[in-house]
Amino acid sequence: QKEVEQDPGPLSVPEGAIVSLNCTYSNSAFQYFMWYRQYSRKGPELLMYTYSSGNKEDGRFTAQVDKSSKYISLFIRDSQPSDSATYLCAMSESNSGYALNFGKGTSLLVTP
Amino acid sequence: GAVVSQHPSWVICKSGTSVKIECRSLDFQATTMFWYRQFPKQSLMLMATSNEGSKATYEQGVEKDKFLINHASLTLSTLTVTSAHPEDSSFYICSAPQGPYGYTFGSGTRLTVV
Repeated sequence: QKEVEQDPGPLSVPEGAIVSLNCTYSNSAFQYFMWYRQYSRKGPELLMYTYSSGNKEDGRFTAQVDKSSKYISLFIRDSQPSDSATYLCAMSESNSGYALNFGKGTSLLVTP
Repeated sequence: GAVVSQHPSWVICKSGTSVKIECRSLDFQATTMFWYRQFPKQSLMLMATSNEGSKATYEQGVEKDKFLINHASLTLSTLTVTSAHPEDSSFYICSAPQGPYGYTFGSGTRLTVV
């Protein structure tokens, strides 16, 4: 079993929809959870960063972490065509010195 | 903010030749650099971890003689793909632990071996 599982999609939604992306993981030592956005042939861009369990909101984006269920989510409100990209979850036991463990990425297409 | 400059952004090479990819930390000192590889529709998979002044640590299944990593200074880490073959065609990304959110990524290098 991979340490981080993420449905690769693709996920297609109309503009303005609420998007829900999620990942599950098996390593209970993970404490730092991140969501990255990656456009084709580009490096990952950090969207959200969360430590331990709880919610975090930044504009149209909300990240949720449920450590008891080993489940993390990213919600995108009022989705825009510019949100079309691949979204990668990533997690680590520490915020420095440890490599990130990535999910496979979910491909999102927001149609006008 | 912290920036890692990665070059080249894309490269095409002939089978059997070697290709060098550079990652430079522009405004901070990177004592550690992580090297990832990403195949189409796949996750970023850690290949190796380089530390300035010491030998790199390779993940299981990654050939250290094929993927040569050098981290000779605090601002430069390089990955050389030796005797490249078509199956080495992939997207290679470096990442340095830095900043309040832990990690700064290069922009990636797309390698195509023909």
